[in-house]
Amino acid sequence: SQTIHQWPATLVQPVGSPLSLECTVEGTSNPNLYWYRQAAGRGLQLLFYSVGIGQISSEVPQNLSASRPQDRQFILSSKKLLLSDSGFYLCAWSVQKGNSTDTQYFGPGTRLTVL
Amino acid sequence: RKEVEQDPGPFNVPEGATVAFNCTYSNSASQSFFWYRQDCRKEPKLLMSVYSSGNEDGRFTAQLNRASQYISLLIRDSKLSDSATYLCVVNTANNNDMRFGAGTRLTVKP
Repeated sequence: SQTIHQWPATLVQPVGSPLSLECTVEGTSNPNLYWYRQAAGRGLQLLFYSVGIGQISSEVPQNLSASRPQDRQFILSSKKLLLSDSGFYLCAWSVQKGNSTDTQYFGPGTRLTVL
Repeated sequence: RKEVEQDPGPFNVPEGATVAFNCTYSNSASQSFFWYRQDCRKEPKLLMSVYSSGNEDGRFTAQLNRASQYISLLIRDSKLSDSATYLCVVNTANNNDMRFGAGTRLTVKP
């Protein structure tokens, strides 16, 4: 069966510090991978998605970046965090089926607080 | 207009009640529809997909109306464990990402 891991689970960082969040998927090959952010009391906002190694699509302009160095590894980074980067960061995976994607499954998330 | 809009909530209902959530979407080319459930401070988990003909899973019934671009979720015989936020999810014409509603919070009380 497939599993998705994220770490760390919680993180408190000062403004201006760098960020690296990691997500890995097991039990599937060539998944679509996604990074979302959920601000307190708000809906999920898609930040990045990837259909393959080295292929990253960005949904919104921001000071975050994503990389996919391996098939089942997705990394979210920032060089300098802003207060507005605080939120619940969720990684998800799905399987590409023809021209559409299958259901997305989420990791346990990383709760980031920028002080 | 938001791509996916849900009932503002919150819904506070007694055990055993029937409750319905509504969701509208703006992109007429959307092809896939889902309801997810999110518990407090946890990740969203798939509750059920929504099929064109409507579908049922135990106490949960989902309906889709493409003409009105409307999705619904009906929960019968509510349980305390149904308390959560319910997210309406619609795929975009891009097919590589989903758009999430802001969610409707449900609290089932004894």
